[in-house]
Amino acid sequence: GAGVSQSPSNKVTEKGKDVELRCDPISGHTALYWYRQRLGQGLEFLIYFQGNSAPDKSGLPSDRFSAERTGESVSTLTIQRTQQEDSAVYLCASSLAPGGRETQYFGPGTRLLVL
Amino acid sequence: AQTVTQSQPEMSVQEAETVTLSCTYDTSENNYYLFWYKQPPSRQMILVIRQEAYKQQNATENRFSVNFQKAAKSFSLKISDSQLGDTAMYFCAASGSARQLTFGSGTQLTVLP
Repeated sequence: GAGVSQSPSNKVTEKGKDVELRCDPISGHTALYWYRQRLGQGLEFLIYFQGNSAPDKSGLPSDRFSAERTGESVSTLTIQRTQQEDSAVYLCASSLAPGGRETQYFGPGTRLLVL
Repeated sequence: AQTVTQSQPEMSVQEAETVTLSCTYDTSENNYYLFWYKQPPSRQMILVIRQEAYKQQNATENRFSVNFQKAAKSFSLKISDSQLGDTAMYFCAASGSARQLTFGSGTQLTVLP
């Protein structure tokens, strides 16, 4: 597939459990972004990766959230000790190069439900 | 910091008619970029159209065009000859020196047969 892929598509978990979400960017895309979309709302920026540079974590809402990316490949977003307010769709996007002018291509998202 | 405002939570239009979705933004930057994304029920965010702020000419993509009013910080999307497949949530977004996109709250567009 040529697009951004994410897994799982849906995830139901119990409050207090840890979850890991995966994103496969488009091959050759150096920049990768994570966003959160709460029900009926717009997207909120979480974190940005560019190559081997230090990530921009300015959007992470708490220290329970973390993300990793190795080089220009797969990224994982981890939420520890999940809370009900973490329920949302988590969207990943990638772009060919960094910079505000670059078009971001989105994956289908992971819908997370915390019971 | 940038902010993006969409004041129309819901809109509807008859098939084949024209509809305009509004968006205003605020930024202190000189170089920035504006986007309209479409999100159908499948959740997939799809780029509809983009505009570079330094370009005066309004962007067009087939049935989609924008009215970019830089002084008023307005960036509206016009959809001509609306089709049933245009039914979706539409998000206005901006980017600049910060790489990430800043999104508005969205407008749910329903095209009626």
